[in-house]
Amino acid sequence: GAVVSQHPSWVICKSGTSVKIECRSLDFQATTMFWYRQFPKQSLMLMATSNEGSKATYEQGVEKDKFLINHASLTLSTLTVTSAHPEDSSFYICSAKKWAVPYEQYFGPGTRLTVT
Amino acid sequence: SQKIEQNSEALNIQEGKTATLTCNYTNYSPAYLQWYRQDPGRGPVFLLLIRENEKEKRKERLKVTFDTTLKQSLFHITASQPADSATYLCALDMEYGNKLVFGAGTILRVKS
Repeated sequence: GAVVSQHPSWVICKSGTSVKIECRSLDFQATTMFWYRQFPKQSLMLMATSNEGSKATYEQGVEKDKFLINHASLTLSTLTVTSAHPEDSSFYICSAKKWAVPYEQYFGPGTRLTVT
Repeated sequence: SQKIEQNSEALNIQEGKTATLTCNYTNYSPAYLQWYRQDPGRGPVFLLLIRENEKEKRKERLKVTFDTTLKQSLFHITASQPADSATYLCALDMEYGNKLVFGAGTILRVKS
């Protein structure tokens, strides 16, 4: 199997606070993990790519100081939304790749973030 | 500009019929094209990958075609079932699995 979990599944936070989202590969070691954002009825947008032990690579237009990514181990990556604002409210989805299957990404169930 | 377009309207079909979903793109040259299924409030699930030198790929009731001249992929579900109702996303694979660019998806509703 290739199961990816995310925690929490939903979170509500107040404007100006920070929130951390965890992404774990449960039954495999992930060579690379990805973070996406999806607004209602829109496509998934890649935010950043991370490899264990190295700095994340952010897509153009994504503020790296606002969306902090830490890839501490081969099974865990975290996304911290700092000083969140209502416009950061979105569905955040992570995915992971495993070495043996180079082209497929395994997606987590997503985290719904609402900033009030 | 770069664009990926999928059927913007939802596709409603009768159980047992074949559903055909379209993915068109401009100003991209993907090495691969992938199709995913996404249920409401869930992350996408991988279905099929087709390479640029492949014309067609099949997996059980699913068939994908890829025409790099037309810059189009067609996704077919034969003998459709209500359980096939979901949003289907096409994704251009720009870096051998390391950079996916997604379309907005097509909602498929299969009625019994």
